[in-house]
Amino acid sequence: DGGITQSPKYLFRKEGQNVTLSCEQNLNHDAMYWYRQDPGQGLRLIYYSQIVNDFQKGDIAEGYSVSREKKESFPLTVTSAQKNPTAFYLCASSIQGDQPQHFGDGTRLSIL
Amino acid sequence: DQQVKQNSPSLSVQEGRISILNCDYTNSMFDYFLWYKKYPAEGPTFLISISSIKDKNEDGRFTVFLNKSAKHLSLHIVPSQPGDSAVYFCAASAQLGAQKLVFGQGTRLTINP
Repeated sequence: DGGITQSPKYLFRKEGQNVTLSCEQNLNHDAMYWYRQDPGQGLRLIYYSQIVNDFQKGDIAEGYSVSREKKESFPLTVTSAQKNPTAFYLCASSIQGDQPQHFGDGTRLSIL
Repeated sequence: DQQVKQNSPSLSVQEGRISILNCDYTNSMFDYFLWYKKYPAEGPTFLISISSIKDKNEDGRFTVFLNKSAKHLSLHIVPSQPGDSAVYFCAASAQLGAQKLVFGQGTRLTINP
């Protein structure tokens, strides 16, 4: 089945450590996105990529980094510079220039 | 600056009745609107969308209405079923925004038997 796979589902890290969240899609979508969801809030865009080897900052990019070396993969690194990293992270993809975006099942990151 | 707002954090509806979820936006550049449904610990699932050239779009039990002058959209679910219990997000995009979506805070819908 085609879809978006995020791994792991739950992730725990010590404060001050960088952590990388995986996102893989086999939908042949050009565009990929990372969102963050906090309790009682909507999804906020962290980074997005419209094509391989290119990406743009979203609304809350500080403390995060991404790469897009392959069409299928868009990993997100939460760095130690991110002041409040505990959240639910969602990856999405879409056909270039079109909606809707299709979402993975998310990774819940907890900083101990 | 909350460009997309869902002012009702929660809504409770009896099974079989109509559920109406509301969403307001402030950015007049938004021209495409979507509704997503989300279960706990899962990603959002696309439900229905509407372009700004329309004022209504229907798909089975789900209908979305758009009032551009009021910058307001609503999602109607009729009849409501227990499986509809979830958090519903409205989202908006602007043609010039590189497919960026701006989401509301979500409304938790509970369908009571």
